[in-house]
Amino acid sequence: AQSVTQLDSQVPVFEEAPVELRCNYSSSVSVYLFWYVQYPNQGLQLLLKYLSGSTLVKGINGFEAEFNKSQTSFHLRKPSVHISDTAEYFCAVSGVTGGGNKLTFGTGTQLKVEL
Amino acid sequence: NAGVMQNPRHLVRRRGQEARLRCSPMKGHSHVYWYRQLPEEGLKFMVYLQKENIIDESGMPKERFSAEFPKEGPSILRIQQVVRGDSAAYFCASSPGQTNEQFFGPGTRLTVL
Repeated sequence: AQSVTQLDSQVPVFEEAPVELRCNYSSSVSVYLFWYVQYPNQGLQLLLKYLSGSTLVKGINGFEAEFNKSQTSFHLRKPSVHISDTAEYFCAVSGVTGGGNKLTFGTGTQLKVEL
Repeated sequence: NAGVMQNPRHLVRRRGQEARLRCSPMKGHSHVYWYRQLPEEGLKFMVYLQKENIIDESGMPKERFSAEFPKEGPSILRIQQVVRGDSAAYFCASSPGQTNEQFFGPGTRLTVL
């Protein structure tokens, strides 16, 4: 079984400032890692994913994340945020095993970008 | 290529009624997942289906909830005798295979009065 912890429920930040959204996970097996963004009253959109290979993953909208196996973390970063980045961000994991790819989500981090 | 479609987008039911939520996966996708998002919470896995088969229903409540993905037509999540605690957003996701990225629909927001 897997679990995901997003310690920050809300992160306020000024426009053009850098931001980091934290994600830690636990799992007894190897994992795939994901970050999704959810705008109000919409579904989830994939920002980026780590399946294997380079631990630094680049995604859409200028976001990137780094997989750190020793710290079991997958923090999301953006060097300069925009007002349009205001949304809920979810970290998710799935086990690298057969039988499907069900995702276990964290509780989400609300990113609020202010002028 | 149309994305994952869910209908209705909003559904209001009174306690004791039945709710039917539909999910049409992306073209070429034969794997469907259902997730539930309670207010102020993350998404929780409910069930994973392939055409005509339930593969993993470990997240489904034991009573009143059922899901199907027939050979033809959309996947259906059915909730019988709804209660207020069933009020939530229900999301469907599809993928072309077991280890591929999941594409999410816009969700159905169920309100039980």
